[in-house]
Amino acid sequence: NAGVMQNPRHLVRRRGQEARLRCSPMKGHSHVYWYRQLPEEGLKFMVYLQKENIIDESGMPKERFSAEFPKEGPSILRIQQVVRGDSAAYFCASSPRTGLAKNIQYFGAGTRLSVL
Amino acid sequence: KQEVTQIPAALSVPEGENLVLNCSFTDSAIYNLQWFRQDPGKGLTSLLLIQSSQREQTSGRLNASLDKSSGRSTLYIAASQPGDSATYLCAVQGAQKLVFGQGTRLTINP
Repeated sequence: NAGVMQNPRHLVRRRGQEARLRCSPMKGHSHVYWYRQLPEEGLKFMVYLQKENIIDESGMPKERFSAEFPKEGPSILRIQQVVRGDSAAYFCASSPRTGLAKNIQYFGAGTRLSVL
Repeated sequence: KQEVTQIPAALSVPEGENLVLNCSFTDSAIYNLQWFRQDPGKGLTSLLLIQSSQREQTSGRLNASLDKSSGRSTLYIAASQPGDSATYLCAVQGAQKLVFGQGTRLTINP
């Protein structure tokens, strides 16, 4: 059973471009979380999604950031018109939300975004 | 609003010492508490997870305790080794999201 897969591992964008980060949850997991780690800071929650639904986006910046988790395919975190301050590591986690392990989140290796 | 604090922010000790990392949280209504390890530029490695009904968990040289009523957890590392050098993150889980502390940067000197 493969773990949470994130790609790309490293992404370089110039200011004003779009960044698309992908996350494939563990098999059987229908809940996805995105976290951001700015340089020299702790991880901060961004958004929680179920298939086709955003459950909690209280940590998402109000502009330029969006997330989706379609019925088929990976979850996508999209950042439009990137700025240097978006440079960070973006981590995805998934959970089954049922069964004994329902509250446990399993993390991917992260995508490191660098904005030039 | 849940807040998680880790003390100290950085710690440097000689090899072989036993050490304790501290984590405190403001809201005791949690499902679980988890300790992670993060190496520079890398992802998160889960070390120990303590469910809210548990008091401690052990894995090898690591022992984590949880006192929910006082909002505290400790991570005890026995017989430290240079390979233990990393940043250690504490995270508490409420209904949905994890709330992380800022981490303790640990350096074990040979």
